[in-house]
Amino acid sequence: QLQLQESGPGLVKPSETLSLTCTVSGGSISSSGYYWGWIRQTPGKGLEWIASVYYRGNTYYNPPLQNRVTISVDTSTNQFSLRLPSVTAADTAVYYCARKGGFGERSPTGFDYWGQGALVTVSS
Amino acid sequence: QSALTQPASVSGSPGQSITISCTGTSNDIGGHNYVSWYQQHPGKAPKLIITDVSNRPSGVSNRFSGSKSGNTASLTISGLLPEDEADYHCSSKGGGNVVVFGGGTKLTVL
Repeated sequence: QLQLQESGPGLVKPSETLSLTCTVSGGSISSSGYYWGWIRQTPGKGLEWIASVYYRGNTYYNPPLQNRVTISVDTSTNQFSLRLPSVTAADTAVYYCARKGGFGERSPTGFDYWGQGALVTVSS
Repeated sequence: QSALTQPASVSGSPGQSITISCTGTSNDIGGHNYVSWYQQHPGKAPKLIITDVSNRPSGVSNRFSGSKSGNTASLTISGLLPEDEADYHCSSKGGGNVVVFGGGTKLTVL
């Protein structure tokens, strides 16, 4: 059974960098046709897609965030990561990592496996 | 990329059917068949219940069904159960490989 687990600091100071890692177990991050993504949810609000990455290194970003965010993948450790510099209180959220099938691929395109979520609070 | 539009809340009684709408544009929902729906209980991660407009992942109850007409997608839950009370989120492919979500709908089972 595929499992995803987020890890990283739960508290980040304003203007500093938020860094999160998602560890994939029970399957390979190099599976053809699957993409790995980060989604966040502010308290009491909806979901916001941040970015996705393919195991070959192809990256895709939500336009409002693309100038701030970096997503990367490490196939040797079966992990992918998120880096968000210069955070503000507006970046306080639960951050989820998840897997989805690629558009135009054979696999279903919804996010079918999710981590449990990591609450990141931006505060001094 | 604007968020998709969902009603903030819907309600229904046990045994009834409800439908949640998700409205976008021709650049997202109306442009292809890549619409998904997620169920989220409080404090839990979202769970995929419908993918690619109308496909149910393995293990998802057939009480959940999805459809699309033009720029609007819909999730129908039939035979409401108390455990269906949750938040429901829609998502769609946007331009390029972008993913756009709706604002979420809170379902109350009366």
